Amino acid sequence: GQQLNQSPQSMFIQEGEDVSMNCTSSSIFNTWLWYKQDPGEGPVLLIALYKAGELTSNGRLTAQFGITRKDSFLNISASIPSDVGIYFCAGQLGETSGSRLTFGEGTQLTVNP
Amino acid sequence: NAGVTQTPKFQVLKTGQSMTLQCAQDMNHNSMYWYRQDPGMGLRLIYYSASEGTTDKGEVPNGYNVSRLNKREFSLRLESAAPSQTSVYFCASSVILAQPAYEQYFGPGTRLTVT
Repeated sequence: GQQLNQSPQSMFIQEGEDVSMNCTSSSIFNTWLWYKQDPGEGPVLLIALYKAGELTSNGRLTAQFGITRKDSFLNISASIPSDVGIYFCAGQLGETSGSRLTFGEGTQLTVNP
Repeated sequence: NAGVTQTPKFQVLKTGQSMTLQCAQDMNHNSMYWYRQDPGMGLRLIYYSASEGTTDKGEVPNGYNVSRLNKREFSLRLESAAPSQTSVYFCASSVILAQPAYEQYFGPGTRLTVT
């Protein structure tokens, strides 16, 4: 089946630093999604990407859909303590509602004040 | 508008016991999903329902059954719980979009321990 490799697995940064994480796949995806999960909660959607090459921002977050459609990255600028959590990438292959998502293993982000 | 709700929030079972995890969404979504999350393994799809009246196996369906009761509700049943089913279970639903893409929205999770 499809696999997503997400890196790094964990990051420890100082408040105010920028963060970058990425996902790569052996398969082509039509959609890339980035989620954040706070401790004890379900994942929350941050950014959705629908076209190869697309660059989308949501506040301090920026994500890009790779040209090859096999990768995506997420950047967080000027990190703050509430950015702490696990960040997941997810890829979708199909084009109809109900098509399955494949998730990366997550990047655990720790921000030191 | 509560989004996706799940009950119970926590559950402890003995090996061999059965239980049903409940999920409901109030966003009028067509598709619903059940995932399990284990440390270091991300989210793995157990079953999904593309629309009311249909269900399909995901990546790890063994030991589980599902029922799409109506458009709002999608339940997950463990007939004979095993310690390997200790996990956090998330229900999700997907919004209908005009373009050929969709987004999934998750519930808060059920933390299940099987002893």
